[in-house]
Order: sequence, then structure tokens, then C-alpha cells
Amino acid sequence: QQPVQSPQAVILREGEDAVINCSSSKALYSVHWYRQKHGEAPVFLMILLKGGEQKGHEKISASFNEKKQQSSLYLTASQLSYSGTYFCGDPTYNQGGKLIFGQGTELSVKP
Amino acid sequence: DAGITQSPRHKVTETGTPVTLRCHQTENHRYMYWYRQDPGHGLRLIHYSYGVKDTDKGEVSDGYSVSRSKTEDFLLTLESATSSQTSVYFCAISPGDSGNTIYFGEGSWLTVV
Repeated sequence: QQPVQSPQAVILREGEDAVINCSSSKALYSVHWYRQKHGEAPVFLMILLKGGEQKGHEKISASFNEKKQQSSLYLTASQLSYSGTYFCGDPTYNQGGKLIFGQGTELSVKP
Repeated sequence: DAGITQSPRHKVTETGTPVTLRCHQTENHRYMYWYRQDPGHGLRLIHYSYGVKDTDKGEVSDGYSVSRSKTEDFLLTLESATSSQTSVYFCAISPGDSGNTIYFGEGSWLTVV
């Protein structure tokens, strides 16, 4: 089953913050986050492996709560370069190896 | 670069013709995937492979077949292309552990007219 992301789209002004959520109806053992610029391939941001783990990439950080089967991506003091579509992914290697992504969240940062 | 090459990068074909997309990797990774991306649908898994000659269906496998006779190559075939298969197709690879990064190819733009 596909993870569910919210919101579907968000528009920000430079310097504003945003949160993108990813939730699953089944157990999550790890979560991947990717960003895709228009016309390009998705690019890896980070992996969260443990419950409660937090990671950061520049001013982008994420948390993972395996008990709640949720992960959140935090974009702080957004920059124009943060614009793109963000995907969370569930790598179900313990269930045969399917790699399923959420439907994506489109983030637009305006000057 | 992640060592993934997709070919062709762009193709226009007619309805009813067979089409094969190729994904070639130089990383010797175990897992390979084919996704399609359409507006409003995100990345949807078509088929994936967890080893040579070991493949399985994904979320949207109808109308597609795959083959993996060598570790480095994963082929996606549309037996009889339809207009609904117009899409961007991404290949991806992974060593196969939940702690490992998944790398995407640059994509293949397919238009079926």
C-alpha cells in the first residue's frame, strides 16, 4: 500500500518554514525522502532507520516515529532551490523488496 | 553519477507496436526497478527485480513485462503500446538493504501516438 503524503501542494515565500508528512497504514521499518526538480530524476535526501530518529540535510530535517508509522520532513528558512516535488518511500525489503513511494508533495518557494 | 543508463531517452511510437526500454547499471546492485511517473500519480512501481531472472510485479504491471538475464541489465517491454502508456519511465537501483540509498536513472520519455 502506498504511503500517504500531506499536504499535496504548498506555496511558500523565501524564508518561511514548511512540514511535509508521510504516513503508512502498515508497519514502517525505515523511510526514504527524495526531491525531484521539474524534468529531472528524483534525488536522494535522507534515510531514517530507527523509531524517533531525526536527520538533517542542510536546513532540511526529518523525523521518523515507527510506532505511529509516520515520518515528517521539515524545511526551515526555505530557499528558492527547495522548490520541487518531495516523495517519501517505503522500502519493504522485509516483504520482498518492493519500493513504494507516496504520491508526492509539490513545494513552490516564491521570492 | 549513480552509474545508471537508460535507453532510449526519448521515443515516439505508434499504438500497437512493441517497445523495449533498457536500464543498464555499472554498480552491480541486486535490486532494480521500473517506475512510471504521470501527473497526479507520483512514482508508481511497474516491476522490480531482486536478482538475475528474479522479478516480481509492482503496482501497475498490466501491459508490461520485464527481463533480467544479467545483473547489469533490466529490460521493460510494452508488448503492444497504448496511448495510456505515454509516460516518463524511471529505472532505479539499490543494493537491497533498508539502509541503502536508491538511485534513479535520468528517465525515458515515451509517447504513444
